[in-house]
Amino acid sequence: EIVLTQSPGTLSLSPGERATLSCRASQSVSSSYLAWYQQKPGQAPRLLIYGASSRATGIPDRFSGSGSGTDFTLTISRLAPEDFAVYYCQQYGSSPFTFGPGTKVDIK
Amino acid sequence: QVQLQESGPGLVKPSQTLSLTCTVSGGSISSGDYYWSWIRQPPGKGLEWIGYIYYSGSTYYNPSLKSRVTISVDTSKNQFSLKLSSVTAADTAVYYCAGSYGSGSYDYWGQGTLVTVSS
Repeated sequence: EIVLTQSPGTLSLSPGERATLSCRASQSVSSSYLAWYQQKPGQAPRLLIYGASSRATGIPDRFSGSGSGTDFTLTISRLAPEDFAVYYCQQYGSSPFTFGPGTKVDIK
Repeated sequence: QVQLQESGPGLVKPSQTLSLTCTVSGGSISSGDYYWSWIRQPPGKGLEWIGYIYYSGSTYYNPSLKSRVTISVDTSKNQFSLKLSSVTAADTAVYYCAGSYGSGSYDYWGQGTLVTVSS
């Protein structure tokens, strides 16, 4: 099973600032099958990025993903008020699919 | 646009079987290359992947739950289901059904349903 570690646990930033979130895998994620999700309180997760760097339908271009192998990054170029949420990475390159523990982005 | 909706009891007694159904609308559950999955989230915690049933009928379960989990499909009703046996308080969570086209990244999610295990 691939274990995903996310850092930092919490990121305190102001609107307009850049957010950089990290996801590290315990072994290489095949074919860069790495996704990022955003979750707000009381809501289901929403797919942001798949295939490590492809934006899902309707996702603003301030969200970008990068990385390969064991190290992946989600960048939010300029935080909008609606971006304060918890972000999860997920690998689907090998079963069982696994999620990281999440990074909370909150308002400084 | 595919939409998913979970249904089932919100309260289950310890040692009993948790049963949930996910109704798929806006598309056929048996049309090609979909992974239909269950994912859960204990209150205040992260996401745990339970397993999937592929459109072909093959299944894969999280090894940590494998002995207690069954995921099945009813194509006539456009639904898929989760059964989790011998539940304990540790199985209390919001249960989400989710769908993925072609890969395993989840494009479609239900709203989630809270299941509490308590006597």
